[in-house]
Amino acid sequence: DAGVIQSPRHEVTEMGQEVTLRCKPISGHDYLFWYRQTMMRGLELLIYFNNNVPIDDSGMPEDRFSAKMPNASFSTLKIQPSEPRDSAVYFCASSKRGQFYNEQFFGPGTRLTVL
Amino acid sequence: GEDVEQSLFLSVREGDSSVINCTYTDSSSTYLYWYKQEPGAGLQLLTYIFSNMDMKQDQRLTVLLNKKDKHLSLRIADTQTGDSAIYFCAESMGYSGGGADGLTFGKGTHLIIQP
Repeated sequence: DAGVIQSPRHEVTEMGQEVTLRCKPISGHDYLFWYRQTMMRGLELLIYFNNNVPIDDSGMPEDRFSAKMPNASFSTLKIQPSEPRDSAVYFCASSKRGQFYNEQFFGPGTRLTVL
Repeated sequence: GEDVEQSLFLSVREGDSSVINCTYTDSSSTYLYWYKQEPGAGLQLLTYIFSNMDMKQDQRLTVLLNKKDKHLSLRIADTQTGDSAIYFCAESMGYSGGGADGLTFGKGTHLIIQP
């Protein structure tokens, strides 16, 4: 399997622009997670889906952030409008129910820079 | 609320043992994890421990859990240059709560290997 795929790997944009980050989970996984990593706050859970349905979005910082999962093999995280404080590395991870522990498989991340 | 604390840096000599420590606050955590992040990459699960265990050994890795003090440690024996990375402690309910949940991570410990 190719692992979790994220695109783009790097994104540089100007304040006010819309940014869309994409994720393809591992085939057969039924959970998908979006995390954000910054030096100040470390890794934060933004939102997660089970079978394409959002389960917990309490970590989404504000209404400028939205996430969708239209099917089992694709998810997007959108920021509109973007702000410099959104600069971070955004990780997507997926996991499969069936184990008692929660091993999440992470993608390589998208490094977002908002100027 | 949930909180996971780790020291930010640890420097050890090649061949020595590394001990990375972590404290957590959520007494309902079912599983505790150690993830490794190499430069420019996503996180990868190293090992995990169930909350009713005191110790788990996996080749060069030894995990110790003191549930009373909410203290978790990771010992890496015979530390090599390839062990240089950021190590994250994380907690979750696992699947015991009827579904997966997101992981709560510490800020990560940078392990620096001196020749």
